[in-house]
Amino acid sequence: SQTIHQWPATLVQPVGSPLSLECTVEGTSNPNLYWYRQAAGRGLQLLFYSVGIGQISSEVPQNLSASRPQDRQFILSSKKLLLSDSGFYLCASSNYQNIQYFGAGTRLSVL
Amino acid sequence: DAKTTQPTSMDCAEGRAANLPCNHSTISGNEYVYWYRQIHSQGPQYIIHGLKNNETNEMASLIITEDRKSSTLILPHATLRDTAVYYCIVRQEGMGANNLFFGTGTRLTVIP
Repeated sequence: SQTIHQWPATLVQPVGSPLSLECTVEGTSNPNLYWYRQAAGRGLQLLFYSVGIGQISSEVPQNLSASRPQDRQFILSSKKLLLSDSGFYLCASSNYQNIQYFGAGTRLSVL
Repeated sequence: DAKTTQPTSMDCAEGRAANLPCNHSTISGNEYVYWYRQIHSQGPQYIIHGLKNNETNEMASLIITEDRKSSTLILPHATLRDTAVYYCIVRQEGMGANNLFFGTGTRLTVIP
């Protein structure tokens, strides 16, 4: 199975500051990669997915962007955080069976 | 993707079997049923998936009705660590950007 590394586990940032969350994958090559956000008590919302290096698809318009500089590296960024960007961010990778493996998540609080 | 319907919450006594139902009446022939769970403040964890035959692994069993319109996830001997939100998802297997739609799931509480 795959292992997803995500950091940091928690982050507190002021409004207007930049953001960079990193995700790396072990145990597979050429995976599909995903960024999700989960509001408190809610289901997961897909933000971005990538089928290869430099290939990013956005699911919802927002203040965030994603990049995939390497095969097993996926980065979530923002130039200026908004209060509404607070949430639990999850990185995931999927295999040929469409099984998704998730990281431990980053809890972002924008104050 | 086919929509799924799950009860909002369920309780189960520790040591007993937990049976979590899921309705997916609009499932199509090439769609699989996937189950994940999410323990509080952690990332979701894959449990099991199947197409039409019943499946079993070290974590759980998946029973799919013959018409495939519903399924049941069975945790044979629930422990306190099984307390989590359980998600039933229907999706095609295979490559591609197969994002999974996670609804609100069933919150299972295992009671000592």
